Amino acid sequence: EVQLVESGGGLIQPGGSLRLSCAASGFTVNNNFMSWVRQAPGKGLEWVSVIYSGGTTYYADSVKGRFTISRDNSKNTLYLQMNSLRAEDTAVYYCARKFADVWGKGTTVTVSA
Amino acid sequence: DVVMTQSPLSLPVTLGQPASISCRSSQSLVHSDGNTYLNWFQQRPGQSPRRLIYKVSNRDSGVPDRFSGSGSGTDFTLKISRVEAEDVGVYYCMQGQQSLTFGQGTRLEI
Repeated sequence: EVQLVESGGGLIQPGGSLRLSCAASGFTVNNNFMSWVRQAPGKGLEWVSVIYSGGTTYYADSVKGRFTISRDNSKNTLYLQMNSLRAEDTAVYYCARKFADVWGKGTTVTVSA
Repeated sequence: DVVMTQSPLSLPVTLGQPASISCRSSQSLVHSDGNTYLNWFQQRPGQSPRRLIYKVSNRDSGVPDRFSGSGSGTDFTLKISRVEAEDVGVYYCMQGQQSLTFGQGTRLEI
């Protein structure tokens, strides 16, 4: 069964760091492009970052320079390293495969003092 | 950056009646490979988004045939032929021509 499971969210103070993980099963992460998408409380979906099979990465302007997407092929896992976190980064973070045909259940990040 | 604009943002409907959501992109979504990467998603309350339609008009596995997508270039439409109670939620269009961009969402309510 094709599945994505996110983890690593939590409560963090402004300026802090978190690393989110997205464990994939049923397919190979490095053969697909993978994205992170977030949803702030009561708001719509916002694309955050993508990593293509060749390793090229792109970021939304709102996170550029603070977030880094990566993957570990041996663990078949996608990551999102989030630094210099701000209150406006508070959201449920989803990972998604390719053109978002598969989504995880999400992990919640709350940035608050 | 590609901007996606949906309308309406709120859509009151009657059970059994049709519904239609429009999505417009700020530039053509025709990719250099010839495909048009326009998808539609449904997000029920408390759930992750679920893809309904890919590449404008292709239904994902398990999606009821009352859902259909159409359009080309910069103008796209999601139609529900007869709304059922389980269709309540928020619908998003998404372009995949340059990274990913979502529309603002349309809340379908009965």
